[in-house]
Amino acid sequence: AQSVAQPEDQVNVAEGNPLTVKCTYSVSGNPYLFWYVQYPNRGLQFLLKYITGDNLVKGSYGFEAEFNKSQTSFHLKKPSALVSDSALYFCAVRPDLSGNTPLVFGKGTRLSVIA
Amino acid sequence: EAGVTQFPSHSVIEKGQTVTLRCDPISGHDNLYWYRRVMGKEIKFLLHFVKESKQDESGMPNNRFLAERTGGTYSTLKVQPAELEDSGVYFCASSQGGTGGRGTQYFGPGTRLTVL
Repeated sequence: AQSVAQPEDQVNVAEGNPLTVKCTYSVSGNPYLFWYVQYPNRGLQFLLKYITGDNLVKGSYGFEAEFNKSQTSFHLKKPSALVSDSALYFCAVRPDLSGNTPLVFGKGTRLSVIA
Repeated sequence: EAGVTQFPSHSVIEKGQTVTLRCDPISGHDNLYWYRRVMGKEIKFLLHFVKESKQDESGMPNNRFLAERTGGTYSTLKVQPAELEDSGVYFCASSQGGTGGRGTQYFGPGTRLTVL
């Protein structure tokens, strides 16, 4: 069965500092990996995804994530955090199958960027 | 292009009542999904439509939940009768057909359901 772990419920970082939100996964076969962000009182917004190819994926708002197959990780990163990045971040996985299988999500990590 | 929309944004009902949630996917998206997040927990899959057909309803918690997608456009999720444990945020997502697992699911703002 597929699963996603986001080991930190909360991440605090000072504005201008680099940020990392951690995600590890378990899936049968090759994974498709996704990051979503939920701002207060808003829905989930797609940030980026890894399907195949370059392990470093760039997404919206200056975020990037690195796929590491040996460590089964897909950590979300940004070189310089903004206060406006404060939100709830979800990592998700689906197996590399032909059908449109549902996403399996982690519990979410709340990011707080302090001015 | 309009995104996924959901109605209502909030619903507060009493135990035993009925509630119907609506989702309008992005125009042209064949795939429509329902997910639910109970407070502080993971977002969990409920079911998946391809056009008007239920492709996978393995996540539906019990027979108090009924989902429909008439004509392959919008979808409704009815809870009847509602129980306290049904409280949570119900998300709808859609994705293009023919993309397989690579397709991106785009989510709506969610409906926050509170059962008292």
